[in-house]
Amino acid sequence: GAGVSQSPSNKVTEKGKDVELRCDPISGHTALYWYRQSLGQGLEFLIYFQGNSAPDKSGLPSDRFSAERTGGSVSTLTIQRTQQEDSAVYLCASSPGTGDGYTFGSGTRLTVV
Amino acid sequence: GQSLEQPSEVTAVEGAIVQINCTYQTSGFYGLSWYQQHDGGAPTFLSYNGLDGLEETGRFSSFLSRSDSYGYLLLQELQMKDSASYFCAVRDTGSARQLTFGSGTQLTVLP
Repeated sequence: GAGVSQSPSNKVTEKGKDVELRCDPISGHTALYWYRQSLGQGLEFLIYFQGNSAPDKSGLPSDRFSAERTGGSVSTLTIQRTQQEDSAVYLCASSPGTGDGYTFGSGTRLTVV
Repeated sequence: GQSLEQPSEVTAVEGAIVQINCTYQTSGFYGLSWYQQHDGGAPTFLSYNGLDGLEETGRFSSFLSRSDSYGYLLLQELQMKDSASYFCAVRDTGSARQLTFGSGTQLTVLP
């Protein structure tokens, strides 16, 4: 597509449930990043994918968080046993390659109740 | 690691000029970027400085001084639509070269 697409745009879940967030990057962009933005805060790096290389998971806050990128395109961020502190906007970005400017999606607003 | 500091809020009137400063600490440096984010929207890329000096793009300019670990975003002829959050960002030195963002400056433009 023309831009980075994320779904769902909003997700309300009960504490303890698992959630999956989807990101469809710009076609041809090899680099894909997930960030988290809490209310009124900056963007916290979570995980990075580059082509078929092993992802950089150094930003994941706990082992409840995981992500996959299938076929070098669509990515799914999974949060298991969600906690209230997981409530945030989860942003996905893609770029043509490492070191290039990002194009962000509109994000998924996750609310854990 | 990387850290960035920028003011949390700035207020200005329509037609004015405003400067948003950013100081950074990094173990390696690969340039300073600026992103704009309207409420509820996606961050969008504004500018990038890899070398010292001023980069101009229309009403927006960005400046970098690597010796001072300092940069700023200059917005001229402010318009109401410029009300947004502005983030400075530097590249991480790891293999991912992911951007590390400041906490953002909320710009409010008054009529």
